[in-house]
Amino acid sequence: SQQGEEDPQALSIQEGENATMNCSYKTSINNLQWYRQNSGRGLVHLILIRSNEREKHSGRLRVTLDTSKKSSSLLITASRAADTASYFCATEGNAGGTSYGKLTFGQGTILTVHP
Amino acid sequence: GAGVSQSPSNKVTEKGKDVELRCDPISGHTALYWYRQSLGQGLEFLIYFQGNSAPDKSGLPSDRFSAERTGGSVSTLTIQRTQQEDSAVYLCASSRQGALGNTIYFGEGSWLTVV
Repeated sequence: SQQGEEDPQALSIQEGENATMNCSYKTSINNLQWYRQNSGRGLVHLILIRSNEREKHSGRLRVTLDTSKKSSSLLITASRAADTASYFCATEGNAGGTSYGKLTFGQGTILTVHP
Repeated sequence: GAGVSQSPSNKVTEKGKDVELRCDPISGHTALYWYRQSLGQGLEFLIYFQGNSAPDKSGLPSDRFSAERTGGSVSTLTIQRTQQEDSAVYLCASSRQGALGNTIYFGEGSWLTVV
């Protein structure tokens, strides 16, 4: 199975609720990143957490990383209809050299926020 | 524009034809990446260019796929003798340099349909 697997595959919530998405991975990483994709087009980088970090915040986003469990979570607080999108985690490995930017993506979580 | 630019946005081609997809990275970015995203899936790494170094082609799925980057800027991804399984969104991305943890900026993608 693929490095960077997310669950749930789909999440439907009401505006104002919090949304939590999880990601698991298999190999050693340098960092883990979360991206957002609207309507199957370009990805937008949301947040990066390094392997020596446990938690990071950016606005309404909170990311945690547990390297012992090889897992991460993305929490979006006080969700808005505009947060409706697909969210992907991606890991960047530790091999160095030619591994820069060679991200391994999960299959994503489709988030729908109902107004 | 300031972002990664890709063309064409959409391409429909007949099975067996060759296609070329173009990517204009952000000015000054030395690292350029191609990814592929099949319907409802995560992204799959294809190829990575960094400056004048030999590209990392380890993700190219077959010898029908090739890519060039001329003058350290514009890149072209060529798919020869297209097959229906090549139908996907092809996403180009760039970053300031090939280094772990650098923010990677994605274009809007080229949606290829092989009929």
